[in-house]
Amino acid sequence: QKEVEQDPGPLSVPEGAIVSLNCTYSNSAFQYFMWYRQYSRKGPELLMYTYSSGNKEDGRFTAQVDKSSKYISLFIRDSQPSDSATYLCAMTGNTGGFKTIFGAGTRLFVKA
Amino acid sequence: ETGVTQSPTHLIKTRGQQVTLRCSSQSGHNTVSWYQQALGQGPQFIFQYYREEENGRGNFPPRFSGLQFPNYSSELNVNALELDDSALYLCASSLGTGGQTKNIQYFGAGTRLSVL
Repeated sequence: QKEVEQDPGPLSVPEGAIVSLNCTYSNSAFQYFMWYRQYSRKGPELLMYTYSSGNKEDGRFTAQVDKSSKYISLFIRDSQPSDSATYLCAMTGNTGGFKTIFGAGTRLFVKA
Repeated sequence: ETGVTQSPTHLIKTRGQQVTLRCSSQSGHNTVSWYQQALGQGPQFIFQYYREEENGRGNFPPRFSGLQFPNYSSELNVNALELDDSALYLCASSLGTGGQTKNIQYFGAGTRLSVL
């Protein structure tokens, strides 16, 4: 079993839709949770950073962490064609060193 | 733009050769991590350098090695290249290791390595 599971998609939605992206994980030592956006042939770009459980909102993006279920989500409101990219969840914690583990990434297409 | 720069952008090598990839970290960051990202996959952790010392390693063989310099820039060296080494190699820098925002990693654009 992978430490972090993420559905690779692809996920295709119409412009303006609410997008929900999710990851599950197995290591309860993870404390810091990140979402990165990666455009084709580019490096990952940090979108959201959350510590422990709870919600965090930044513009059209909301990150949720449920540590009891080992489940994290990213919601994108009013999705735009420019949101089309691969979204990577990542997490780290004191697992014997603060190694960051990534999900496989979900490819999102937002159609105009 | 994150301020993390990697060179070269693209590289083509043949099986058995050796390669060196370079990374300049963001100003003020003393920690550099290297990742391998195969097509359609998430980045896989290779190793991390903190203040010129290796500070953690993923499941990669010893032919993957690295260095960090006093200015915190870093190199990734891969010996005896194999076809499966073809991937995007990403460098990420952070303020440090441990908890809180020190962990947040900022990525460069990567070096795309093709092994023929």
